[in-house]
Amino acid sequence: AQKITQTQPGMFVQEKEAVTLDCTYDTSDQSYGLFWYKQPSSGEMIFLIYQGSYDEQNATEGRYSLNFQKARKSANLVISASQLGDSAMYFCAMRALVTGTASKLTFGTGTRLQVTL
Amino acid sequence: DAGVTQSPTHLIKTRGQQVTLRCSPKSGHDTVSWYQQALGQGPQFIFQYYEEEERQRGNFPDRFSGHQFPNYSSELNVNALLLGDSALYLCASSLGLAAGSSYNEQFFGPGTRLTVL
Repeated sequence: AQKITQTQPGMFVQEKEAVTLDCTYDTSDQSYGLFWYKQPSSGEMIFLIYQGSYDEQNATEGRYSLNFQKARKSANLVISASQLGDSAMYFCAMRALVTGTASKLTFGTGTRLQVTL
Repeated sequence: DAGVTQSPTHLIKTRGQQVTLRCSPKSGHDTVSWYQQALGQGPQFIFQYYEEEERQRGNFPDRFSGHQFPNYSSELNVNALLLGDSALYLCASSLGLAAGSSYNEQFFGPGTRLTVL
């Protein structure tokens, strides 16, 4: 079984500052992927960044980076230079990696980020 | 390149009724997953379809059923609606059984918001 824990229901950050959203996970799978999605008020889940459990380097995608600490089972999202448009719900998710299949995603409860002027 | 589309956008039903939600995957994708997102929660996996067969199923009762058509589009059917079925229903598509790839990103549609009165 897989479990994702996001302990921050809400976060505030000032525009142009960096913010870290926490995510811890638990799984018995040997190979897994970790994802972060952004969900604006419109409802659509927007993929932000991916980290494979065997990737040695932390993933980066533009202003997003994933601070992956495998021993601590954490996969925190760092957003640099926050923008007003970053205000949204952010979900951490994971799935087992089985080559060639798209297995189910397990999501956390999310963190609502509010970017202020 | 059309993304994932879902219809209808909103739906209001009464208890005991039946509902059908529809999803068209992103161009080139052949796997469709359905998720239920209750208010204030993360999405919960319902089931996944590939090659017109249900491949994985989450912890949902048999009232939830689905179908995948030869063109890869999919339907989610919910019978005997309960108040607790009120939620945002998200469809995600991916390229399943892609040879040599262990990273199958799931693209989400905008969702169908179902209200059961």
